[in-house]
Amino acid sequence: AQSVTQLGSHVSVSEGALVLLRCNYSSSVPPYLFWYVQYPNQGLQLLLKYTSAATLVKGINGFEAEFKKSETSFHLTKPSAHMSDAAEYFCAVRAGANSKLTFGKGITLSVRP
Amino acid sequence: EAGVVQSPRYKIIEKKQPVAFWCNPISGHNTLYWYLQNLGQGPELLIRYENEEAVDDSQLPKDRFSAERLKGVDSTLKIQPAELGDSAVYLCASSLNGNTEAFFGQGTRLTVV
Repeated sequence: AQSVTQLGSHVSVSEGALVLLRCNYSSSVPPYLFWYVQYPNQGLQLLLKYTSAATLVKGINGFEAEFKKSETSFHLTKPSAHMSDAAEYFCAVRAGANSKLTFGKGITLSVRP
Repeated sequence: EAGVVQSPRYKIIEKKQPVAFWCNPISGHNTLYWYLQNLGQGPELLIRYENEEAVDDSQLPKDRFSAERLKGVDSTLKIQPAELGDSAVYLCASSLNGNTEAFFGQGTRLTVV
């Protein structure tokens, strides 16, 4: 079985500040990990994915995430927040091929002017 | 390339009435998912199809929910009868296969009154 923990439900940063959204996973096999973003009244859009290649993964809109097996973490970062980054962010894990995609509860990111 | 298309976007029904949601996945995608997303929560898998076959429906409440994927393309999710607690967003997603990332539709927001 696999699971995802996203601590906290809300993160607020100032425009231009570092964004750090935390994700810890549990998986009995090497995982595939994903970050999705959801804007109000929209579906989920893939930001980036880790599939056992490079541990530092770059995604769209300047986001990146680093897979750390020793910490079972896959935290999402962006050096400089923009107002348009305000949204809900979901971390998800797939425990190996052909297994189901399990999502965390999500984190709401607010960006202050 | 067209994305995952869902209809309707919004649906309001009275409790005990039936309701159906439709999903057209990305062309060529063999895997189709239906997810339930409650307010403030991450998506939870209801059912996953590989072509026409439902390979994971363990979380589908089969007493009132049913789904089908005719000819391995479009899919329909039905609730009969609907209950107040079914009010949520129903997301459809598709992927090339069970190993690749899922692309989501915009969802159907169901309100049961």
